[in-house]
Amino acid sequence: GNSVTQMEGPVTLSEEAFLTINCTYTATGYPSLFWYVQYPGEGLQLLLKATKADDKGSNKGFEATYRKETTSFHLEKGSVQVSDSAVYFCALSGNNFNKFYFGSGTKLNVKP
Amino acid sequence: GAGVSQTPSNKVTEKGKYVELRCDPISGHTALYWYRQSLGQGPEFLIYFQGTGAADDSGLPNDRFFAVRPEGSVSTLKIQRTERGDSAVYLCASSPQGQSTGELFFGEGSRLTVL
Repeated sequence: GNSVTQMEGPVTLSEEAFLTINCTYTATGYPSLFWYVQYPGEGLQLLLKATKADDKGSNKGFEATYRKETTSFHLEKGSVQVSDSAVYFCALSGNNFNKFYFGSGTKLNVKP
Repeated sequence: GAGVSQTPSNKVTEKGKYVELRCDPISGHTALYWYRQSLGQGPEFLIYFQGTGAADDSGLPNDRFFAVRPEGSVSTLKIQRTERGDSAVYLCASSPQGQSTGELFFGEGSRLTVL
């Protein structure tokens, strides 16, 4: 079956620190991979995505590379800001996008 | 442009009662999804509509849960004989038909508490 596992939080970092949030997946076929972010008081929104192996998704300084050999899609950012404090969800979907499978979320706290 | 709107934002009910949760998707979005998020967990798929029809309802946990979308726009999730285990945030999302980006546009959710 399909599933996503991501590192547990919370993750607490100082501003300008390097961020990695690990995500691994199990899937049948060739899924598309996503990172969604939920800022306090807001709905989930797409942060970045990759639809095939070796693709790199990027947005707002965040990056993640679709690694088929390690079934991973780790989220990275070189220098976090206080405004990046949020909950981050890794997700996968089949190519028809009918159903998405989400990880349990990782809360990021960035301190000034 | 308005985003996905969900009402009520909070609902407290007693065990055994009937509950309706409403979702108003982004205008023109033909795909609509319901997810359930329990405390400390990620969203869990319930049902997917393409237009008026439920294309995939494999995530509905049992026959107490039902969802409709009669005119292909607003959707209502209906829960009968609520149980304490139904307490969660119910999320609605929509996306345009035929889009290949896979981006879901989420509402802020309806928090259901069953006492």
